[in-house]
Amino acid sequence: DSGVTQTPKHLITATGQRVTLRCSPRSGDLSVYWYQQSLDQGLQFLIQYYNGEERAKGNILERFSAQQFPDLHSELNLSSLELGDSALYFCASSASPGLNYEQYFGPGTRLTVT
Amino acid sequence: AQRVTQPEKLLSVFKGAPVELKCNYSYSGSPELFWYVQYSRQRLQLLLRHISRESIKGFTADLNKGETSFHLKKPFAQEEDSAMYYCALTPTGANNLFFGTGTRLTVIP
Repeated sequence: DSGVTQTPKHLITATGQRVTLRCSPRSGDLSVYWYQQSLDQGLQFLIQYYNGEERAKGNILERFSAQQFPDLHSELNLSSLELGDSALYFCASSASPGLNYEQYFGPGTRLTVT
Repeated sequence: AQRVTQPEKLLSVFKGAPVELKCNYSYSGSPELFWYVQYSRQRLQLLLRHISRESIKGFTADLNKGETSFHLKKPFAQEEDSAMYYCALTPTGANNLFFGTGTRLTVIP
């Protein structure tokens, strides 16, 4: 599959714990975006990386952090988890930042905090 | 701050009937607007963007700056159009997307 991949598909954990979500962009894409989709807030932009550097920040909590590695995969780290962090987390990638470059979405990781 | 509003959570139309999915936005600058679609068991994908002024799968969307709207329209709905539709906005100079809450369209055979 040459599209955006995300692991794991599902994650169930307890409050207070820490988890790491992983995203591999499409081959050749340098930019990675993270989005959170929850029932009450809808689909929200969290953070963007381009070629290893943070490019833009959205509504990302301080308990959350992300990075993009030299091989361009990205990880989203969520710590001190709360019940309200239960959501679907999407990663998207594009060839380059800029409106002419379509964002391609991954299948998402469903996080359940109990 | 920017905001995208999709007033209808659910919309049902009969096959062959016209369909309009509403999207209103608030943003002080000149945004770029998009429609994304998620079919059952598929990924979220771009349907169309206003800068391209194109028609995709029979859908069109016109940006109305006076009414700050970007409604998605199709003259004759098909069963395969049943999906979740999201309107999204990118502020000037940025490239991250701000999404509306989505409208689930069901086309009744």
